[in-house]
Amino acid sequence: GQNIDQPTEMTATEGAIVQINCTYQTSGFNGLFWYQQHAGEAPTFLSYNVLDGLEEKGRFSSFLSRSKGYSYLLLKELQMKDSASYLCAGYYGGSQGNLIFGKGTKLSVKP
Amino acid sequence: EPEVTQTPSHQVTQMGQEVILRCVPISNHLYFYWYRQILGQKVEFLVSFYNNEISEKSEIFDDQFSVERPDGSNFTLKIRSTKLEDSAMYFCASTEGVPRSSTDTQYFGPGTRLTVL
Repeated sequence: GQNIDQPTEMTATEGAIVQINCTYQTSGFNGLFWYQQHAGEAPTFLSYNVLDGLEEKGRFSSFLSRSKGYSYLLLKELQMKDSASYLCAGYYGGSQGNLIFGKGTKLSVKP
Repeated sequence: EPEVTQTPSHQVTQMGQEVILRCVPISNHLYFYWYRQILGQKVEFLVSFYNNEISEKSEIFDDQFSVERPDGSNFTLKIRSTKLEDSAMYFCASTEGVPRSSTDTQYFGPGTRLTVL
């Protein structure tokens, strides 16, 4: 199966920048999603990268390198409300859009 | 903003009982999915549905599971004889099409927390 790997936990300080990395298997890969999930809630969409490079959306940016099987989510000007799990999910060829999720990175933002 | 809705938000059932989880996908979406997330674990794909039939299913989606789109709006997941290990959060998701660009997204519902006793 396709493995999606990301760190289990990270801690950062309010106002700082944090980068959450994700690696994935490149065989059959189409694109990569990032979702935010607060405890007990549904994943909410942050970004979808298909092409190499950086996509910026306000305080959040996502980067993809298809050749390296690598992505990261960059969160700037961290706020306490950014404390959540961040899920990396791959979309692979031949599927009808079903996503393969990593285990998620639990981010704790401290004052 | 359009959203995926799910009912009930919580369901408690006895082992061996049948449960039906309901979802209303976003109205112009064509692809529907069920995922589950056991407490503390990752989100896992169960099944995808398109054009009134299952298009893909995972190993988890065995004969105890079935999906249906009984009318133009609802999308249901049935578990025929629940087991303790079926206890999880079940998420429905929908999308307009398969992801082709960075503007495509898969929208998740709020989930149904299923507890099997």
